[in-house]
Amino acid sequence: EDQVTQSPEALRLQEGESSSLNCSYTVSGLRGLFWYRQDPGKGPEFLFTLYSAGEEKEKERLKATLTKKESFLHITAPKPEDSATYLCAVRTSYDKVIFGPGTSLSVIP
Amino acid sequence: DTEVTQTPKHLVMGMTNKKSLKCEQHMGHRAMYWYKQKAKKPPELMFVYSYEKLSINESVPSRFSPECPNSSLLNLHLHALQPEDSALYLCASSPLAGPDTQYFGPGTRLTVL
Repeated sequence: EDQVTQSPEALRLQEGESSSLNCSYTVSGLRGLFWYRQDPGKGPEFLFTLYSAGEEKEKERLKATLTKKESFLHITAPKPEDSATYLCAVRTSYDKVIFGPGTSLSVIP
Repeated sequence: DTEVTQTPKHLVMGMTNKKSLKCEQHMGHRAMYWYKQKAKKPPELMFVYSYEKLSINESVPSRFSPECPNSSLLNLHLHALQPEDSALYLCASSPLAGPDTQYFGPGTRLTVL
């Protein structure tokens, strides 16, 4: 059965304290892995798309990496405005998009 | 421009009402999606339109009826909803209905009384 999990469920960081969020997947063929940021009551905001193992993408304080079983979202020197829920989604070979449950990140000043 | 717009932002309706949610994109995308998201849960796919044809219907109750009048517009018609249908309804679009990235709108917060 196709499955996407994320850890930790919630993460509290001090401002400037770098960390990583994990997205693990078991799917029947990966056609793309997506990272989104979602603020409360708003739609997900696209961050990155990764297509193959070994691929990396960066944007400001965020860096996403992909292996054959998981993806990491590294946050370097986070700021309070990085507080949000980070969602990982996987598109399978059947063109089905499966979202993980998300990681709620709080960055404390 | 990667903007998807949705109206209304908020909607309160009774169980006997008929209402519609609207979604619009002008990015030339040929795939559009409806998702439902309950509080503290990830989005759940409801419908996928590809080239204005319904291509995926994830066993959604018939009280939800999607419509794609043209490649830029997507509607979700609501009728005889239940209180448990209260949620954030998200529209998304992507260039094609394949591995392309989906871009989401801000959502419509629906409350069913």
